[in-house]
Amino acid sequence: QVQLVESGGGVVQPGRSLRLSCAASGFIFSSYGMHWVRQAPGKGLEWVALISDDGSNSYYADSVKGRFTISRDNSKNTLYLQMNSLRTEDTAVYYCAKEGTAYDLAGALDSWGQGTLVTVSS
Amino acid sequence: EVVLTQSPDFQSVTPKETVTITCRASQSIGRSLHWYQQKPDQSPKLLIKYASQSFSGVPSRFSGSGSGTDFTLTIHSLEPEDAATYYCHQSSSLPGLTFGGGTKVEIK
Repeated sequence: QVQLVESGGGVVQPGRSLRLSCAASGFIFSSYGMHWVRQAPGKGLEWVALISDDGSNSYYADSVKGRFTISRDNSKNTLYLQMNSLRTEDTAVYYCAKEGTAYDLAGALDSWGQGTLVTVSS
Repeated sequence: EVVLTQSPDFQSVTPKETVTITCRASQSIGRSLHWYQQKPDQSPKLLIKYASQSFSGVPSRFSGSGSGTDFTLTIHSLEPEDAATYYCHQSSSLPGLTFGGGTKVEIK
């Protein structure tokens, strides 16, 4: 079955960087677009970024554009989120999520990881 | 950016009742609207895709309807395990994918 396992979260000071990873298994990773979605403590869901199945296209929320970079390594079945210039308001659980339809660019997210907590604090 | 407004924010219901949650989009999004369930300390789970298509394995008491700007998630004959927060999500406009603010359903 589909498994998505995030890692790389932790406590980081404002202005510093962090890279999240999401290891995927149980499906043909290279056929699906992948997303990062975050959830601040006690708050709702916020879409962060999307990358196409082959990595050729990526999209970002305005709140992270220019600071975060989504990427993937299809040979390693792994999704990444490079987060630079972190702010306190980036504190959240970060989930990776899989597109529901192969080769679709934006649709329903049919599988989610368990999330990794990023805390930005001095 | 398409803004999704869910109502109500909170609903307290007894088992076997029917729950209706609405999601209104700030502009027409066709049927590109999906519903998720999130229980405490768990990741979200897809319930309904493209307004009314049930996702595999989801109990039949969950159903969705709507198109354009107005959408509804209905939970028929609520079960105790349905206590959760429910979110709508639109995938019509890239790059501005958005979620609704959530509706918390509590079981009395």
